[in-house]
Amino acid sequence: KAGVTQTPRYLIKTRGQQVTLSCSPISGHRSVSWYQQTPGQGLQFLFEYFSETQRNKGNFPGRFSGRQFSNSRSEMNVSTLELGDSALYLCASSLDSGSAKQYFGPGTRLTVT
Amino acid sequence: DAKTTQPTSMDCAEGRAANLPCNHSTISGNEYVYWYRQIHSQGPQYIIHGLKNNETNEMASLIITEDRKSSTLILPHATLRDTAVYYCIVRAITGTASKLTFGTGTRLQVTL
Repeated sequence: KAGVTQTPRYLIKTRGQQVTLSCSPISGHRSVSWYQQTPGQGLQFLFEYFSETQRNKGNFPGRFSGRQFSNSRSEMNVSTLELGDSALYLCASSLDSGSAKQYFGPGTRLTVT
Repeated sequence: DAKTTQPTSMDCAEGRAANLPCNHSTISGNEYVYWYRQIHSQGPQYIIHGLKNNETNEMASLIITEDRKSSTLILPHATLRDTAVYYCIVRAITGTASKLTFGTGTRLQVTL
């Protein structure tokens, strides 16, 4: 069974631009969670989507948003990029919402200049 | 979710057992202990989880003390590929959301 895939793997953007990252979960998994990892803050939960609905949201500004499609694929969007948004963005999938056993993708490395 | 405390870093010789401790003195009765690891610049990888009995899988063993206030992850024969940051997470097996709270973890360095 294929693992979690994320595209693109690397991205360079300029301050003020917006970006969309994509995540395809493991086949049959219905929950997708997003995390941001930076050297200063570590791994932080962004939000979770299940059945096309946001189930929970971390402490991030409204510039960070996401959505989930009927096939469970998910996208996250960051608008008006700031230098501090440079990070590794990780997506994790699980069978159902609320599961602590999650499978992570390789991440998208976003650099904002 | 209960708070966890782990040493910042540990070293282990290749071929020896790596024993990674975790303290979780405020763990609740319905909370499990989960271990994940993150090899440099990759996504975290689930290793093992347990409630109160010792658990073993193909990757590692998990020993939880009888009072459940601490646990130890054991990699029986560490290899260079086990060099990673290991995270101990305590939370209910299911909940209202899939949020995992990662601490700073233990950086395990396996050396020749």
